[in-house]
Amino acid sequence: GAVVSQHPSWVICKSGTSVKIECRSLDFQATTMFWYRQFPKQSLMLMATSNEGSKATYEQGVEKDKFLINHASLTLSTLTVTSAHPEDSSFYICSARLAGGSDTQYFGPGTRLTVL
Amino acid sequence: KNEVEQSPQNLTAQEGEFITINCSYSVGISALHWLQQHPGGGIVSLFMLSSGKKKHGRLIATINIQEKHSSLHITASHPRDSAVYICAVRPNRGSNYKLTFGKGTLLTVNP
Repeated sequence: GAVVSQHPSWVICKSGTSVKIECRSLDFQATTMFWYRQFPKQSLMLMATSNEGSKATYEQGVEKDKFLINHASLTLSTLTVTSAHPEDSSFYICSARLAGGSDTQYFGPGTRLTVL
Repeated sequence: KNEVEQSPQNLTAQEGEFITINCSYSVGISALHWLQQHPGGGIVSLFMLSSGKKKHGRLIATINIQEKHSSLHITASHPRDSAVYICAVRPNRGSNYKLTFGKGTLLTVNP
């Protein structure tokens, strides 16, 4: 089946540093990738929708200057958490939608970010 | 009121039992997803439905579009089925393929 990978799977950083998380569709092309954040015992919260070759669309309340999204190819999207603070500690998950108007989405394994 | 409601929120079963998790939604949809998340882990897509019924191994998912309801069944449950099961829908109006998620059902299967 289709696979979406995320790298790194976990990261610990100091407050004030920036962290980049990669989301790759390994065996299919993804027109759209979604970035989610999940706090403990809560459901996924959509942060932004990333379309290849265009600017990401951010959900209300999500700072676009803090969470930089780049979707440079049909198989790779990156999320950079800039000047990370402890409150940014969370589980970040991406999903990739199959190109061609499909509703099929595949989820990545997630990245655990801990900001000290 | 959440657009997607799951029940029960928590479910404890003995190994071998038949399990049903329900999902009701209030909007017209293009697709409904059932997802599985193990503790501390990523999300696995189990099913995507737009009508009828799908089966994969011991898992069965059904959807009734008219009643805006879906069920996920697990036959012969096993402790490794313990996870959070999440229902998510793609509204068919203006959603740009975004999903709306239920809060999840925590399933614990005891040996």
